[in-house]
Amino acid sequence: DTGVSQNPRHKITKRGQNVTFRCDPISEHNRLYWYRQTLGQGPEFLTYFQNEAQLEKSRLLSDRFSAERPKGSFSTLEIQRTEQGDSAMYLCASSLGQGLIPEAFFGQGTRLTVV
Amino acid sequence: DQQVKQNSPSLSVQEGRISILNCDYTNSMFDYFLWYKKYPAEGPTFLISISSIKDKNEDGRFTVFLNKSAKHLSLHIVPSQPGDSAVYFCAASADNYGQNFVFGPGTRLSVLP
Repeated sequence: DTGVSQNPRHKITKRGQNVTFRCDPISEHNRLYWYRQTLGQGPEFLTYFQNEAQLEKSRLLSDRFSAERPKGSFSTLEIQRTEQGDSAMYLCASSLGQGLIPEAFFGQGTRLTVV
Repeated sequence: DQQVKQNSPSLSVQEGRISILNCDYTNSMFDYFLWYKKYPAEGPTFLISISSIKDKNEDGRFTVFLNKSAKHLSLHIVPSQPGDSAVYFCAASADNYGQNFVFGPGTRLSVLP
């Protein structure tokens, strides 16, 4: 399978706990995005990497959220001290290109439920 | 405030007929638009895109039309097939808006056999 892979697919956690999600992009893709989607809404941009550099962060991304992409390959998204409002589908996407904005390929997402 | 709007939450169409999904945007700086399709329990899948230098882009049964003056785009699916039943998201971006996409809330298309 050469698509974008996300793990875990589902995560249930108690409020206040920390969680970490992993994304493995398509291997040659240099761009990696994290989005969050809640019920009835479209994906909302969280952050973007070009290779290992985190170039953009949404103001939606509070200090409790941190993302990394060491060596420009896989990426992790950590949420500290989770809150019930963090419950959502977290989507990772990757793309290849420079200049013109290319279409991104999405993974299946990690569904987070904070209880 | 939503910068990308899809005012029809759902649409039902008979198999073989045309499906027209609409999208409106408010940010005049957007110059690149995409449509994604999403099945349940899957991530969005890229469908078709259009740059603001064009007013139409066609790929098989899928055609996207862009009306910049009206800040409106539409996706036409002809003929519609039951396998097209999914949620369709319109997304927009701009060269000077960064590398992220702004998505609309989606329209659920049901193609009835």
